[in-house]
Amino acid sequence: KAGVTQTPRYLIKTRGQQVTLSCSPISGHRSVSWYQQTPGQGLQFLFEYFSETQRNKGNFPGRFSGRQFSNSRSEMNVSTLELGDSALYLCASRIGGSSTDTQYFGPGTRLTVL
Amino acid sequence: ILNVEQSPQSLHVQEGDSTNFTCSFPSSNFYALHWYRWETAKSPEALFVMTLNGDEKKKGRISATLNTKEGYSYLYIKGSQPEDSATYLCAPPVTSGSRLTFGEGTQLTVNP
Repeated sequence: KAGVTQTPRYLIKTRGQQVTLSCSPISGHRSVSWYQQTPGQGLQFLFEYFSETQRNKGNFPGRFSGRQFSNSRSEMNVSTLELGDSALYLCASRIGGSSTDTQYFGPGTRLTVL
Repeated sequence: ILNVEQSPQSLHVQEGDSTNFTCSFPSSNFYALHWYRWETAKSPEALFVMTLNGDEKKKGRISATLNTKEGYSYLYIKGSQPEDSATYLCAPPVTSGSRLTFGEGTQLTVNP
């Protein structure tokens, strides 16, 4: 079974631009979560989508948004990029919405904002 | 906000040493605890999902125990190898079915 895939793997943008990241979950998984990791910080939760609905949202500004499609693929959008948005963005999928379901992570998208 | 603490922050051991680290979390409203291993330049890899007080899980040389009453979990690595070098993360869900809150992790370096 193919793992979680993320595109693109690397991205360079300038301040003020917007960016869209894509995540394809493991086949059959209905939940996709997004995380941000910056140097010195742990994995910070952005949001989770389950069956096309946002189930949970972390403490990030409204510039960060996401969506999920009927095939469970998810996109994350960041508008009006700031230097501090430079980070590794990871998505993770799990089969359902239970607290005991294992999350499987993708390889991440490394975003650099200049 | 769930307070998850992992200690130590970093650990350097020699090949062959056994080691252990701790994950502390609020003991009230416990649902599950997830352990992950994150090697440099790779994706976090799921190790264990632990649910019951007294749970003990094992995967090769790595094992973990869980104490939900006092709010901690231990991860043990027996006979560490250089390939065990990674950051080990624990994460309890915030609520039933909900998102994981990750600790800062323990960075393990195993010297040959």
